[in-house]
Amino acid sequence: DTEVTQTPKHLVMGMTNKKSLKCEQHMGHRAMYWYKQKAKKPPELMFVYSYEKLSINESVPSRFSPECPNSSLLNLHLHALQPEDSALYLCASSHPPRNQPQHFGDGTRLSIL
Amino acid sequence: ELKVEQNPLFLSMQEGKNYTIYCNYSTTSDRLYWYRQDPGKSLESLFVLLSNGAVKQEGRLMASLDTKARLSTLHITAAVHDLSATYFCAVDNAGNMLTFGGGTRLMVKP
Repeated sequence: DTEVTQTPKHLVMGMTNKKSLKCEQHMGHRAMYWYKQKAKKPPELMFVYSYEKLSINESVPSRFSPECPNSSLLNLHLHALQPEDSALYLCASSHPPRNQPQHFGDGTRLSIL
Repeated sequence: ELKVEQNPLFLSMQEGKNYTIYCNYSTTSDRLYWYRQDPGKSLESLFVLLSNGAVKQEGRLMASLDTKARLSTLHITAAVHDLSATYFCAVDNAGNMLTFGGGTRLMVKP
């Protein structure tokens, strides 16, 4: 069991759909992250929120839109995705400062038809 | 741009044997993390290495960091099947930005 909870676990959507991924943590962490992981590849950082403010956007296409409604929740809104966006999307959280490891959720496996 | 390289990318070993995974990185950093990922699962934090010469051990795994050489190692002692997984090193670039190595897929055979 992980302390970072992601829903849904699996998502299949068409290229014209709009959907959202949700991430929740109750460890009091003030930094939250979205990563994308393709099969047999390492995770790639997409976004970083620090104290509910977007601090890093790694040149992610605008069809991915992050949102951090409060310190425990992180959403990733999806719209007009492409088949190459099919991947495992991992959420993580950590305590600032930087010396603490990031705790990862189990991920949402996304398939774009 | 920070580059993180792991080798080997795939390792098949017999139970009871020892082996070392290497993680090289291209720019100065004194924060390095090791994670384990089982197939279809999340990443589990194994070690946090925060200074030159840092050494951490947990069970059959030992990690070390040489910031001057920009090298971290993950040493496996007397491998057992339960250690089969993919191991990633990750370097903290700046401000909580992790760059991961390519991963080492470890298979331990009876």
